[in-house]
Amino acid sequence: EVQLVNSGGGLVQPGGSLKLSCAGSGFSFSGSSMNWVRQAPGKGLEWVGRIRSTANNYATEYGASVKGKFTISRDDSKNTAYLQMNSLKSEDTAVYYCATGDALDIWGQGTMVTVSS
Amino acid sequence: QTVVTQEPSLTVSPGGTVTLTCASSTGAVTSGYYPNWFQQKPGQAPRALIYSTTNKHPWTPARFSGSLLGGKAALTLSGVQPEDEAEYYCLLYSGGALIFGGGTKVTVL
Repeated sequence: EVQLVNSGGGLVQPGGSLKLSCAGSGFSFSGSSMNWVRQAPGKGLEWVGRIRSTANNYATEYGASVKGKFTISRDDSKNTAYLQMNSLKSEDTAVYYCATGDALDIWGQGTMVTVSS
Repeated sequence: QTVVTQEPSLTVSPGGTVTLTCASSTGAVTSGYYPNWFQQKPGQAPRALIYSTTNKHPWTPARFSGSLLGGKAALTLSGVQPEDEAEYYCLLYSGGALIFGGGTKVTVL
């Protein structure tokens, strides 16, 4: 079964950091790009960024609102992608999803990040 | 930055047909924007429906189809079922980034 499992969410204070994980199984993880998408409570989807596969030199691209603040990485030996989030603000409060492939075919279940004091 | 616009809401009768559109602030949407469409039901993760304008995933019901229409990307639901009531999002590739539209709430009534 093709599956993505999100983890690492929680409550963090403003200005803090958090690292999310996305573990894949049932498909060629190393050959796939990995995207991160977030959804603030009651709002629409926002593309956060993606990391391409080794065939594309693990190139990364980011949305304008997170560029320079968030970093996407991956460890293909663990079939896992990561989202490092720094300098968090209340507006970063959202459910964070990972999704695989250029077509965002398969999605994780999401993990909630709450930025609050 | 590019803004992607969708209808906020649409209502359709069971068995009817409805077309959702997706416009770009930079101009006409072409196949080079690789339009994607997603369905999201309350409390669930989004589900991919259409990629690269017209292509369906193996799990996409036949009643869903994608196209370009009047300078916009379009998603048409034909023979709408009650379970199609959901939020639908388009996604465009523009300027090295992916941009979601604001979503269309489809009500089946």
